[in-house]
Parts: sequence; C-alpha cells; structure tokens
Amino acid sequence: QKEVEQDPGPLSVPEGAIVSLNCTYSNSAFQYFMWYRQYSRKGPELLMYTYSSGNKEDGRFTAQVDKSSKYISLFIRDSQPSDSATYLCAASGAGGTSYGKLTFGQGTILTVHP
Amino acid sequence: NAGVTQTPKFQVLKTGQSMTLQCAQDMNHEYMSWYRQDPGMGLRLIHYSVGAGITDQGEVPNGYNVSRSTTEDFPLRLLSAAPSQTSVYFCASRTGGYGYGYTFGSGTRLTVV
Repeated sequence: QKEVEQDPGPLSVPEGAIVSLNCTYSNSAFQYFMWYRQYSRKGPELLMYTYSSGNKEDGRFTAQVDKSSKYISLFIRDSQPSDSATYLCAASGAGGTSYGKLTFGQGTILTVHP
Repeated sequence: NAGVTQTPKFQVLKTGQSMTLQCAQDMNHEYMSWYRQDPGMGLRLIHYSVGAGITDQGEVPNGYNVSRSTTEDFPLRLLSAAPSQTSVYFCASRTGGYGYGYTFGSGTRLTVV
C-alpha cells in the first residue's frame, strides 16, 4: 500500500464548477502537505502548502488537512479551462531527512470544459 | 536564476547501456531529489539528498546511483539500462525554510529499447 493514496480520476467538470480533490495517507509522521499542479509534458509546480491540520486559502484554491482522519483535500472554486491539469498531493515529515523525502499520490487528471 | 536545469531533455538508450542524467540548481537549496513518473503511478522517489555528501534511497532505488559532491549538482546514474527504466525523470530541489516545496526541473524523457 502506498503511503499517499489518490484517486486518479479522470475528473471532468463544466466551467464554473467547484472541484474537490482528495487524498488519504497512512504515515502518522507526515507534518507538511502540499498540492502540485502539472500541465501536460511539464514539471510539477507547487500550488498549495500547509503544515499540520487546518485550512489554507489562496484565491480560488483551498487546501484542507485533517490529521485525525489522515485526509487531504483541495477545493477549486469557479473552475476554469486553464485549471485542466494533473493535480498531485504530497506529504513529508518534519526535520532533517524526513523533511527532504516528499511522497506523492498518483495524481488526479482534471478537465474543465467550457 | 535558472532554477533546476536537467539535461538531456530526451534520450534513447539500448538495453545494458549506462548513462548519467544531469541536474543542477542555482538556488543554493539543501535538499535535492530524483523522481520517476510513469502513467498511473504518480511521482516515485528514486534517491534524495539532504546536503552535499549525504544521500539516501527512496521508494525505487534499484538500478540507479547518485552522489552529491556539491550543493548545486545531483547527477543520476543508470548502471545498466533496462526497458523497465523507460520513464520521465524529474529532478527537484528545495530549501529548508517553511512554506517552500520542491521546485522541479522540466524532466528527461528516457526510452530504453
């Protein structure tokens, strides 16, 4: 079993919809949680970064972490065709070696159609 | 500031050949990693480094070697290429500061025939 599990989709939504992307993880030592966006044939780019449990909002994007249930979520409001990409969740531990070892989920392919 | 630079961008190898994928960063980042990406598998960690002279294995290290003699460079060596190593390889680096994730290079597409 992978330490970070993500439904690969694909997910197709109409423009303007609210998108919910989810991951679960099994390693209790994970403290830092991230969401990356990857466009076709490009490297991943950091979208959201959170520490421990809680919410973080950045424009149309909200990241949530619930450490009690080991659940990571990303919400996209008013989705746009330009949001069409693969979204990858990731987690790492805190301090030293653990901080450098970032574990990714499988990625969810999202398509937002006009 | 070029970020993370990977070379080559594309490579075709014959089974049994060896080669080195180059990775360099100019951001003075302590942490560097190599990932491979295969369809439906996400990014899988091959090797990572927490500083010059310090490396460790990730999830899929077999068939790959790394070393880190400088902060800037983190080459990945394929010892004897196999078709199962056909993949897209990404190098990434990050600083130890809070709020900073890994910055990725643009990738190397490797085909082993």
